[in-house]
Amino acid sequence: SQQGEEDPQALSIQEGENATMNCSYKTSINNLQWYRQNSGRGLVHLILIRSNEREKHSGRLRVTLDTSKKSSSLLITASRAADTASYFCANTQGGSEKLVFGKGTKLTVNP
Amino acid sequence: EPEVTQTPSHQVTQMGQEVILRCVPISNHLYFYWYRQILGQKVEFLVSFYNNEISEKSEIFDDQFSVERPDGSNFTLKIRSTKLEDSAMYFCASSRGGVNEKLFFGSGTQLSVL
Repeated sequence: SQQGEEDPQALSIQEGENATMNCSYKTSINNLQWYRQNSGRGLVHLILIRSNEREKHSGRLRVTLDTSKKSSSLLITASRAADTASYFCANTQGGSEKLVFGKGTKLTVNP
Repeated sequence: EPEVTQTPSHQVTQMGQEVILRCVPISNHLYFYWYRQILGQKVEFLVSFYNNEISEKSEIFDDQFSVERPDGSNFTLKIRSTKLEDSAMYFCASSRGGVNEKLFFGSGTQLSVL
């Protein structure tokens, strides 16, 4: 299965702290993407990291990819209450047009 | 930033009825998708559409499902005879260059089958 699995399932932190979420997958991938979903809303793309990249930054977000361990992590630095959401990793494989999502990490940032 | 828009935001229907979920993808995008999310579960791929035809579909996307791009702007998902288990949030997405670029998702249609 190429399904991503996020860890932890839920994370609660204080504003200003860093939040780290992990994702594991089982097969070779083309790329790995992270999405955010506010409660009851659509998915918003955060960052895409390709299989030949090891780290990528976007603002307060830092994503790493370790293809030898088949894992990725998303770090949100200096978290804000507005970062409260569910975060999903998703990957693609081969010539498939399918994004395969994990179950997500529900992040709560307390003011 | 341009958006993918979906209508309606909520749809309630009786089991066995047909529903059509509508989406307007971003205008210069070429790849279109439907995903669904049953409450508390993963987001699941249903179908991808490119160059006016289905490019890939999942095992969920059986004969009861169909997609259409009837004009240059709309992209629809039809469920011919809804079942209770079709109750879910349905998301439309589009991409300029396919799944190896970022996907833009709509806000979803919450479908409730009674």
